[in-house]
Formats: sequence, structure tokens, C-alpha cells
Amino acid sequence: SFVLTQPPSVSVSPGQTARITCSGEVLAKRYAYWYQQKSGQAPVLVIHEDNKRPSGIPDRFSGSSSETVATLTISGTQVDDEADYYCYSTGFISDQRIFGGGTKLTVL
Amino acid sequence: QEQLVQSGAEVKKPGASVKVSCKASVITFSNYDINWVRQAPGQGLEWVAGVNPYTSSTVYAQKFQDRVTVTWDTSITTAYMEMSSLTSEDTAVYYCARGLRRGGGNVYYFDPWGQGTLVTVSS
Repeated sequence: SFVLTQPPSVSVSPGQTARITCSGEVLAKRYAYWYQQKSGQAPVLVIHEDNKRPSGIPDRFSGSSSETVATLTISGTQVDDEADYYCYSTGFISDQRIFGGGTKLTVL
Repeated sequence: QEQLVQSGAEVKKPGASVKVSCKASVITFSNYDINWVRQAPGQGLEWVAGVNPYTSSTVYAQKFQDRVTVTWDTSITTAYMEMSSLTSEDTAVYYCARGLRRGGGNVYYFDPWGQGTLVTVSS
């Protein structure tokens, strides 16, 4: 099995840059994906294939990955960005679809 | 634009089964799956299983393979997830999500998601 590890919480002031990390050995060979989940809502994809942004996602969201660590960066963080963020990746067989534990982003 | 619409909330007793549905608005599924992901109260996301509407092939997380069945009804473009032998630990919001595959499987992610179905297991 493989594990993706995220910090439980990150705090940032409005307008600052927030960085959320996701670490796991599988990330050296597999893409990382990031989901935003606001309270009471379904998750929304904000980054796919390490650093690609879906249409409709603001360009203040960016992703990067190096070896076993993927990072979601939110530049000029807004109060509306306060949410839980989950990284996700796949293993090498089809029954390995794993989420990180999630990071609560607080903007205050 | 793809939309997934799930069935309503369920309340079940321990030991019972539940079947949740997920209707898809797009019927071209050659490189898509429908997956199920659950989220217990205050907890993170946990992948449960997936079904390919084109081939009817299924895949399950090892934790659930003995008591979860996922199916697809082509005539009404609807996926189902049935879970048996429910316990209180199965109380969660169950989401369906389209699984998009590219690059021979090297790329695989969930987008979009259904609105979620709350399943409560309580005596």
C-alpha cells in the first residue's frame, strides 16, 4: 500500500501565499492531483497532473511536484479559498486510488 | 457538461444493505469510469470502488471488496453502489465521481463529482 501525507492545517493571512504539501513515495513516479472541498460541498478539482489547472479555476492556484513531494500553491489567498484541500494519486495497479488526509486552510 | 445526480439520503439499521444511485448526463464512456468515494463525518476522503460503463469491469478497494457491489445500467445511464452488512462506521456521505483515464492509465482522476448522498447507520 502507499500513503500520502499532508499537514493537518495551514494558516495564512489574506493576500499572502499559502503552500500545502503532499508527500509520498508514489509521487516520484505518479502524478499528483488536488481537490478543494468547502464546508458541506462536494470536492472540486483544482490541479491535475501535478500542475495543470482546469478551466474555471483561478490562476492563483498552481501546483508543482519534485521527487516525492507535491505542492499546491495559492498566491494572493482570498477568504473564499478557506477550505479543506486533498491531494490524490494512483498506485501501479487499478485498486490503488488514494487520497491524502486533507489539509484545512484557514485564511485570517 | 457532465453532471452526476445522486439519490437522496438513507437511514439504515446495522446489518442492513443500502443502494445508492448516480445518474450521468453524458453517455459516452469509453475512457471514463464512475467511482464511489465516501467521507465519514469530520473525516477525509476514501475511495471505495469504480465501474466502467463501456466494459462493465469493476474495481474495488481491498477494504470493501467483500461487501460492496458497483453496477451500471446503460438504459438509464445510472451507476449504483450497494453496500451490505452496514455498521455505524459506514455512516458517511457517499459521492460518485467520474474517473477520467488518459495515457494508458498513467493519468487517472475524478472530475466532476455528484452532490453526495448521506447514509446514516443507526439502530
